[in-house]
Amino acid sequence: AIRITQSPSSLSASTGDRVTITCRASQGISSYLAWYQQKPGKAPKLLIYAASTLQSGVPSRFSGSGSGTDFTLTISCLQSEDFATYYCQQYYSYPFTFGQGTRLEIK
Amino acid sequence: EVQLVETGGGLIQPGGSLRLSCAASGFTVSSNYMSWVRQAPGKGLEWVSVIYSGGSTYYADSVKGRFTISRDNSKNTLYLQMNSLRAEDTAVYYCAREERGALDAFDIWGQGTMVTVSS
Repeated sequence: AIRITQSPSSLSASTGDRVTITCRASQGISSYLAWYQQKPGKAPKLLIYAASTLQSGVPSRFSGSGSGTDFTLTISCLQSEDFATYYCQQYYSYPFTFGQGTRLEIK
Repeated sequence: EVQLVETGGGLIQPGGSLRLSCAASGFTVSSNYMSWVRQAPGKGLEWVSVIYSGGSTYYADSVKGRFTISRDNSKNTLYLQMNSLRAEDTAVYYCAREERGALDAFDIWGQGTMVTVSS
């Protein structure tokens, strides 16, 4: 199975800040990477697919980049509703695998 | 409205069986690749199983031989039959749709159903 290493595991930031979360795949996955946001007690929500394509309805302050093995999610100008846990996921091959998650907290 | 609604979770003893259901509306289950993903309490997401639009299935090693994914086209519903349950199967179970077919991100998720395996 393809391993996904996500960092950091937690992050403290303030409203208005710019933050970056990274994921590294154990082998090349082209652009078959998605990013999800999850709030407590809720299902994950798709933010970005194909490494950099914004899902319909997702604010433009979210952006993704990367291909091959290294990927980043950037949130520019954090809003209060962005404090949540974020996961990356490879869908290059089954079994699909997720990063360990990044908990974004208010500083 | 496109949505998924899971039911069937609960408290079950180790070694027992449970069947989860995922009712879809707004789209056709049989035309999509559908997966089950689980999340143990306080932990990350773990993909469990997929059923292809053509009917083929694939499982995570952790559940292979114990879980069976299936669907009822007439009811537009996805299922997960879970046998020989273990404590480590305790989790919220989500069903999810791969948006554009094979090897795609999950664009639609259900609200989840909790399965607790304990004596």
